[in-house]
Amino acid sequence: TQLLEQSPQFLSIQEGENLTVYCNSSSVFSSLQWYRQEPGEGPVLLVTVVTGGEVKKLKRLTFQFGDARKDSSLHITAAQPGDTGLYLCLTYNQGGKLIFGQGTELSVKP
Amino acid sequence: NAGVTQTPKFRVLKTGQSMTLLCAQDMNHEYMYWYRQDPGMGLRLIHYSVGEGTTAKGEVPDGYNVSRLKKQNFLLGLESAAPSQTSVYFCATQRMGGGQPQHFGDGTRLSIL
Repeated sequence: TQLLEQSPQFLSIQEGENLTVYCNSSSVFSSLQWYRQEPGEGPVLLVTVVTGGEVKKLKRLTFQFGDARKDSSLHITAAQPGDTGLYLCLTYNQGGKLIFGQGTELSVKP
Repeated sequence: NAGVTQTPKFRVLKTGQSMTLLCAQDMNHEYMYWYRQDPGMGLRLIHYSVGEGTTAKGEVPDGYNVSRLKKQNFLLGLESAAPSQTSVYFCATQRMGGGQPQHFGDGTRLSIL
């Protein structure tokens, strides 16, 4: 059974700090999606990574897909209060079943 | 564009009452999902549908029923609500095909007293 482990589970930082969130599995990902969920709203897709070693940037967010496609990371540079939310990773196993990570709850204080 | 609309947004029920949550989409997506989200437990799949007239069980289906009579609507029913079903419920849609992104509604906050 493929599981997605996200770490850390909680993160509280000051505005301007950098942070990295991880999403790991013992199995190879076909692809991996990152979502952000703001309080009171549903998750919204940030990015999809497909190719091992891939790096995608979205303003201050940098997403990496491990060479072996078993891990992914999300790095935020100079975090802002607007980055506060729950960050989730999602993948699909070989049978097409979707698997969510438990999420990383990020709080950025002004 | 409404996208994915969930109604109601909030509801308080007494134990034993029944209710139906509605998810409506205007994106013509084949797949629809119902999740519940509880603190520290992420999103857990309740039921899903890969097309009109078809439904399947997810990870935590007990105590819930669903129907997909029309492609654009996916209903989640609680026949006899229990306090353990207090949660935030999210509906999501997805285009058919591997690895497609999920599109979520804004959730229904349900409290069972």
